[in-house]
Amino acid sequence: EAGVVQSPRYKIIEKKQPVAFWCNPISGHNTLYWYRQNLGQGPELLIRYENEEAVDDSQLPKDRFSAERLKGVDSTLKIQPAELGDSAVYLCASSLDWGTRRPNEQFFGPGTRLTVL
Amino acid sequence: GQNIDQPTEMTATEGAIVQINCTYQTSGFNGLFWYQQHAGEAPTFLSYNVLDGLEEKGRFSSFLSRSKGYSYLLLKELQMKDSASYLCAVSLDRGSTLGRLYFGRGTQLTVWP
Repeated sequence: EAGVVQSPRYKIIEKKQPVAFWCNPISGHNTLYWYRQNLGQGPELLIRYENEEAVDDSQLPKDRFSAERLKGVDSTLKIQPAELGDSAVYLCASSLDWGTRRPNEQFFGPGTRLTVL
Repeated sequence: GQNIDQPTEMTATEGAIVQINCTYQTSGFNGLFWYQQHAGEAPTFLSYNVLDGLEEKGRFSSFLSRSKGYSYLLLKELQMKDSASYLCAVSLDRGSTLGRLYFGRGTQLTVWP
């Protein structure tokens, strides 16, 4: 079974440029997450989707970040314009179902390493 | 805010046993995860604890004490391939943060031959 797929793996851009990341979750996984991981830190949740609905986006910097999950499968995360502090690894994860009684195991993709010059 | 604390680095030798501790202070609790992350790769699931006690899975075991806000990951018979970062993450159970995972900084384990 294919895992979570992300592209590109690496991206180098100049500040003020736009950038987009793409994620394809594991087939059948309803819940999709975008995380940001700074060097030497743990992942930090940016947004969580249940199917096509963003149910937890309180940590997404909405002035420059946007995300969408059309048709409840693939998702894109966009930054416009990028700033130097956005340099990080952007991880996508998915889980089979999000239950209120037991959080489900999240499967992570390899991430996109963004460098903003 | 949420606080999850774990040591930054640890070293051990091949064949040894190492214990990685994690303490947490969070507004709610709905389970604790341990993930392994090799450099440049995705985090992979190791264990999940929601009840007090020890969960054993092969060479890896995880312990939880909810009253103390404490967990540890125990790795036995260390192998070189165990060199990685180990992430402790707490799932919350309240309001808008229900189910959100908060990660610690990760503990970078280096296994020497």
